[in-house]
Formats: sequence, C-alpha cells, structure tokens
Amino acid sequence: GGIITQTPKFLIGQEGQKLTLKCQQNFNHDTMYWYRQDSGKGLRLIYYSITENDLQKGDLSEGYDASREKKSSFSLTVTSAQKNEMAVFLCASSRDTSSYEQYFGPGTRLTVL
Amino acid sequence: DAKTTQPDSMESTEGETVHLPCSHATISGNEYIYWYRQVPLQGPEYVTHGLQQNTTNSMAFLAIASDRKSSTLILTHVSLRDAAVYHCILRVRASSSFSKLVFGQGTSLSVVP
Repeated sequence: GGIITQTPKFLIGQEGQKLTLKCQQNFNHDTMYWYRQDSGKGLRLIYYSITENDLQKGDLSEGYDASREKKSSFSLTVTSAQKNEMAVFLCASSRDTSSYEQYFGPGTRLTVL
Repeated sequence: DAKTTQPDSMESTEGETVHLPCSHATISGNEYIYWYRQVPLQGPEYVTHGLQQNTTNSMAFLAIASDRKSSTLILTHVSLRDAAVYHCILRVRASSSFSKLVFGQGTSLSVVP
C-alpha cells in the first residue's frame, strides 16, 4: 500500500498572493495529477505529469503553475489568488497513464480573503 | 462540458439495496465508465469501471445499458459507512498518449439506520 500526503491541509491567503500547494506520494507511481473541486461541481483537471520532468496542462491551467520536482512530489502554485475564492485542491497519482485507478490525497482547502 | 448527469442526492436505509443512476447520452465508443466515492474531508476512492459488460467486485455491481447511454451503480446491504458522494465519470481521450477522467457533480447518498 501507499499514501498521498498533501500540505497544508488548510490554506488561507490574501488577494493577489502567490500560494504553493505540495503533494507527496510513496506508491512509486509515474503519473501525478492536480484537480480543483468547487462546491456543487465535479473535479476539474488543472495539471498532470506523465513522468518525472514532464508537465502537461489540463482543462483549468490558467492562473496556475506546476512543478514535478522528483518522481514522488508534485507542487501546484496559484500565481495570483482571487478574492473570495474557495476550493479544494486534490492531488492524485496512478501507476502510469494506462492504469485504471487513480489514488487521491485528502486535499488542501483554500480560502482567499 | 459535463458528460454525465446524476441526481443530486438519494437516501437509503441500512440493509437495503440502492441503485445509483447515471446518464451519459453522448458517450463515445471507446470511453470507459468509472465510479468513485468520496467521503467528507477525503479525496475520491475508486469503486469500479466498465466499458460494455456489467461488472462486479467486492464494493459494487455496475450495470451498463446495452446502448451505453446510462449506467447504474448497485450497492447491496448498505451500511452507514456507505454514505458518501458517488461520482459517475467518463474516461475520455485527451491526446494520443493520455486519457483523462471527466467528473460529473456526483450523487450524495445518505444512509439512515
């Protein structure tokens, strides 16, 4: 078994601030993902990384940067936080892009004041 | 571009069998149907998936209509632990080397004693 750890669990920022969310996995999976979950909406893909040193934009990449520092870690940066923004950011990993199962972390809950 | 439609909420009683419906009228021939479940303060967890044939595992039975335009996740002998949001998802081709999960809004299942 393995686990996905996301830090921090809760993040409060100010409008215009640059905020970084971190994700670590010990599954030794190649592929990692960042999703955004808004209340009442489905998860939307922000960025994904097929393997170490790879970065791909998802459907919601505007306003975000990502970094795959090493195989086990994948970071997401909110480049300029929007006032009154509230969302949960979920990190996931899978063995590779053909794997049928993604494993999700518990999420980082963002509030922007 | 939501591709799945589910009821917002359903209620069941402990010990009953619950049928969670999902409509995906515009599904393409090579798109797989996935179900994940999500409890509060956690990320989604894989339940099952299928293409054309009904599938079963220890968690649930997935019934797929013959025209593939709808599916039903069937949970038997539900317990309080089965209370969660159930996401009906399509896995769609995003590029030549990558398929992504497209989430709907999910159905919030509550279970009463």
